Amino acid sequence: EILMTQSPATLSVSPGESVTLSCRATQSVGTNLAWHQQQPGQAPRLLIYSASSRAPGIPARFSGSGSGTEFTLTISSLQSEDFAVYYCQQYNDWPPMHSFGQGTKLEIK
Amino acid sequence: QEQLVESGGDLVKPGGSLRLSCAASGFSFSDYYMSWVRQVPGKGLEWIAYIDKPGNTVYYADSVKGRFTMSRDNAQNSVFLQLNSLRADDTAIYYCTRRNYNDQWGQGTLVTVSS
Repeated sequence: EILMTQSPATLSVSPGESVTLSCRATQSVGTNLAWHQQQPGQAPRLLIYSASSRAPGIPARFSGSGSGTEFTLTISSLQSEDFAVYYCQQYNDWPPMHSFGQGTKLEIK
Repeated sequence: QEQLVESGGDLVKPGGSLRLSCAASGFSFSDYYMSWVRQVPGKGLEWIAYIDKPGNTVYYADSVKGRFTMSRDNAQNSVFLQLNSLRADDTAIYYCTRRNYNDQWGQGTLVTVSS
């Protein structure tokens, strides 16, 4: 089973700043890595797939990078609506387990 | 527009059963793998089941294997999750999702298992 670990658990940042979130897999997932954002009381939504491809409608300030076991999500010039919980998810394994990281909460400083 | 709408969540006693439904619209449903993902309120996301396009093959997380059954009806553009032998730790919001990287999410349906 592939385990996903995100760091840090919580990040306090001021609006307008940039931030980088990390996600690590216990074994290589290639670039089969997605990032999801969840606002309070809402369903998650896809931000990034294939490690670095933005989903339709996602602003350019969101960017993903990495391959293998190390991945990052960078959000530049944080807007108020970006303060949320972010989850990484691998989808490389077969049979599928499609494990998620435990999440990183981005909060206003 | 593309949409997934779950229904069927309820309060059920331990050991009970429930059937969740997810209705898809706005896209060619039979062209996509579908999944169920759950979330204990205030906690993280857990993938629990995945079905192939024709509905012939389903994979389950160990936590639900043998108790939950996922199916689909491509003529009705719907996917289902039958929950049996429910336990308190099955209490969660259940989301229907599309594709292996979950590019579409429903709004979720709450299942509460309590006596």
